[in-house]
Amino acid sequence: AQKITQTQPGMFVQEKEAVTLDCTYDTSDPSYGLFWYKQPSSGEMIFLIYQGSYDQQNATEGRYSLNFQKARKSANLVISASQLGDSAMYFCAMREAYTGGFKTIFGAGTRLFVKA
Amino acid sequence: DADVTQTPRNRITKTGKRIMLECSQTKGHDRMYWYRQDPGLGLRLIYYSFDVKDINKGEISDGYSVSRQAQAKFSLSLESAIPNQTALYFCATSPPGPQETQYFGPGTRLLVL
Repeated sequence: AQKITQTQPGMFVQEKEAVTLDCTYDTSDPSYGLFWYKQPSSGEMIFLIYQGSYDQQNATEGRYSLNFQKARKSANLVISASQLGDSAMYFCAMREAYTGGFKTIFGAGTRLFVKA
Repeated sequence: DADVTQTPRNRITKTGKRIMLECSQTKGHDRMYWYRQDPGLGLRLIYYSFDVKDINKGEISDGYSVSRQAQAKFSLSLESAIPNQTALYFCATSPPGPQETQYFGPGTRLLVL
């Protein structure tokens, strides 16, 4: 079974509008972390935002916020006021414990296109 | 200067050749990782190391080996490259602790003919 599911292979958004990128996860570990990374066309992976499973508040970093709904096991990324430079692949990831330590599992990604 | 560097950035090789991808970091992190990225599959963990004396297999370690030469250096080797190892390879580091945010190098594009 998929541990991290990103159901939107591609998304379009108009510049200056908000967009939500979906992510659902599956874990039985009570302590886990959720991440979003951005991959521009140049290829590098850029950390955007983190949410711990025990965090009461939704994480925010500038124009990025993480809509964490623990009971639904979803961790959607919201980008407000989209900019042309936001066009990229976005990956949701989960860090969970396993024998010997932690591991991070990535979703397949969502490609975001911002239209002028 | 970049905190996590990878060499080479691009490489074309032939089936059966041995190839080494190198990763260096100046972040001072003990934890280092190698991932490969294939279209539609996200990133998958090949190997990871929590310190110089600690090497662990990830989910797709077959056909790969690693060497942790120092805290700052972590190399990935393909002993006998095959075409389905064509991918984008990332090195990453993370500080200790439960959050374990990973900081990635720029990636190495490998083509095996």
